[in-house]
Amino acid sequence: DAGVTQSPTHLIKTRGQHVTLRCSPISGHKSVSWYQQVLGQGPQFIFQYYEKEERGRGNFPDRFSARQFPNYSSELNVNALLLGDSALYLCASSPDRGHSGTEAFFGQGTRLTVV
Amino acid sequence: SQQGEEDPQALSIQEGENATMNCSYKTSINNLQWYRQNSGRGLVHLILIRSNEREKHSGRLRVTLDTSKKSSSLLITASRAADTASYFCATADSWGKLQFGAGTQVVVTP
Repeated sequence: DAGVTQSPTHLIKTRGQHVTLRCSPISGHKSVSWYQQVLGQGPQFIFQYYEKEERGRGNFPDRFSARQFPNYSSELNVNALLLGDSALYLCASSPDRGHSGTEAFFGQGTRLTVV
Repeated sequence: SQQGEEDPQALSIQEGENATMNCSYKTSINNLQWYRQNSGRGLVHLILIRSNEREKHSGRLRVTLDTSKKSSSLLITASRAADTASYFCATADSWGKLQFGAGTQVVVTP
């Protein structure tokens, strides 16, 4: 079975541009979460979606948005990129309504560099 | 902001030795999980311990949880070079939102 897949793996963008990151969860998983990991730090929660509805949002500006599609895949959009948005963006999926009581399965991440 | 703090930040040991790392957190939890990350890529789930459990084992891993002290520890016994990685604890609320600590970098030398 395929694990969580993220695309692209690497991305270089210029300040002010926008970016779309994509995530396909494990087949049958309905919950998808996004995390930002800045170099040298632990992942920070950005969004959680379950059954196409937003179930949680972390402390990130409105430049960050996301959605989940009927096939449970998800997109993370970031507008007006700043240098500080450079990070590894991780997507995680889980079979139930959240990761509560179950493990989260992470993709390999998208490395975003803003120049 | 980080929910948990791992201690130590870095750990260097030789193969065959045990590695112990600790995690402290601030708020009430549904469960606590430990993850491993190699070379800044995806995280791999190691073990989950629920708030009503005190100790759990999985292969060479042993996790303890003390909810009164809001702390957990991860013990890796008989370490191998392949255990070289960053280890993160993460607390989960009732919806499963994960809050990670800053991690412990473990280097195991042959």
